[in-house]
Amino acid sequence: DAKTTQPTSMDCAEGRAANLPCNHSTISGNEYVYWYRQIHSQGPQYIIHGLKNNETNEMASLIITEDRKSSTLILPHATLRDTAVYYCIVRVASGGSYIPTFGRGTSLIVHP
Amino acid sequence: ETGVTQSPTHLIKTRGQQVTLRCSSQSGHNTVSWYQQALGQGPQFIFQYYREEENGRGNFPPRFSGLQFPNYSSELNVNALELDDSALYLCASSFTQGANEKLFFGSGTQLSVL
Repeated sequence: DAKTTQPTSMDCAEGRAANLPCNHSTISGNEYVYWYRQIHSQGPQYIIHGLKNNETNEMASLIITEDRKSSTLILPHATLRDTAVYYCIVRVASGGSYIPTFGRGTSLIVHP
Repeated sequence: ETGVTQSPTHLIKTRGQQVTLRCSSQSGHNTVSWYQQALGQGPQFIFQYYREEENGRGNFPPRFSGLQFPNYSSELNVNALELDDSALYLCASSFTQGANEKLFFGSGTQLSVL
């Protein structure tokens, strides 16, 4: 029962910025937003996470709205190797625990 | 390279059989989670173990069971296999500290049930 909403697919030209949106309107106050990506049948790979402030690392930037109801993952200069399914996830309360819950993600295709 | 290893990488079973999948967590991690991923779908949470105790369970029947060992390795057991159990099974380890839970995934075990 995913608590995030992402577009099913997007495409981007190589060398351009890829901006992947995610809606997480029911996120609770102290839960982080995480982004992972999965390249064909491999395990998901961690990209970045954030709580309230915008974050940047060597892979990407994460912009979180002030109300924390949505975020955008930015790949500043997309390459062909960035073609993957991107998942935005938050933890969901379940029986006293908090469980990282995946939706169906966004399939990003980077074309030449 | 996440430091999480799963075995075997591929497995073929027949309906009704039992299967055990194994996962070796990253050193120092106290939590192991298992996910099932059907073709074209996102990973679905099966269960999680924290310090050898089951810490959460998804919508999977009791024939899916697990163990976490003192060295933080883990097993997923599935009894009475059904055709719909064919999927990629992913193990993820983490060091859970409050709300911060960064997952490190293995490459998965591809299970085919015939």
